[in-house]
Amino acid sequence: DQQVKQNSPSLSVQEGRISILNCDYTNSMFDYFLWYKKYPAEGPTFLISISSIKDKNEDGRFTVFLNKSAKHLSLHIVPSQPGDSAVYFCAASRTTSGTYKYIFGTGTRLKVLA
Amino acid sequence: EAGVVQSPRYKIIEKKQPVAFWCNPISGHNTLYWYRQNLGQGPELLIRYENEEAVDDSQLPKDRFSAERLKGVDSTLKIQPAELGDSAVYLCASSLEGLAGREQFFGPGTRLTVL
Repeated sequence: DQQVKQNSPSLSVQEGRISILNCDYTNSMFDYFLWYKKYPAEGPTFLISISSIKDKNEDGRFTVFLNKSAKHLSLHIVPSQPGDSAVYFCAASRTTSGTYKYIFGTGTRLKVLA
Repeated sequence: EAGVVQSPRYKIIEKKQPVAFWCNPISGHNTLYWYRQNLGQGPELLIRYENEEAVDDSQLPKDRFSAERLKGVDSTLKIQPAELGDSAVYLCASSLEGLAGREQFFGPGTRLTVL
């Protein structure tokens, strides 16, 4: 039972354009969401997060949108740069007693074309 | 500040052999996680430590996997005996406690190949 789904395994975008990565979840109890970026042979690195009390969080070129009614979140990268080429994972957690147990999606491989 | 350190980076063994992975978390991070990432999948939690205590090991296959975190710092994950299906990347992560622990910091992982 995949509670966090990234239905697009790959995405190609032209440099300078917007990249939109999508993530769907099934558990309405999830209350905190993260996006991680992963380069080959490296561990995932934190990119941006959002709490369920918000519907948008922005950090520079990266914006995450949360639609709780649709159980959907998306990551927007504007403008996209070749260095953004990586695998992006979304992760969701239900906060219990101040602890975070994340369920990760399967990842989307983004390729930004120069 | 040094990140999460893992060793070895790569390991190739034959099935039925034992293998161990080592992790040194970020200094001051009391919470440590071991994840397994299969090809084309996201990381899946195996075990979580709060200091020396394993507080969530519900997804650790206890018949062949074991872990320890002596003195609440370094941790070792062991597989004995290894099976072909154990081929994966084993990731260690650490975090602070409470709200500050929402972000987990990952090491580079150990890529295990079981032949």
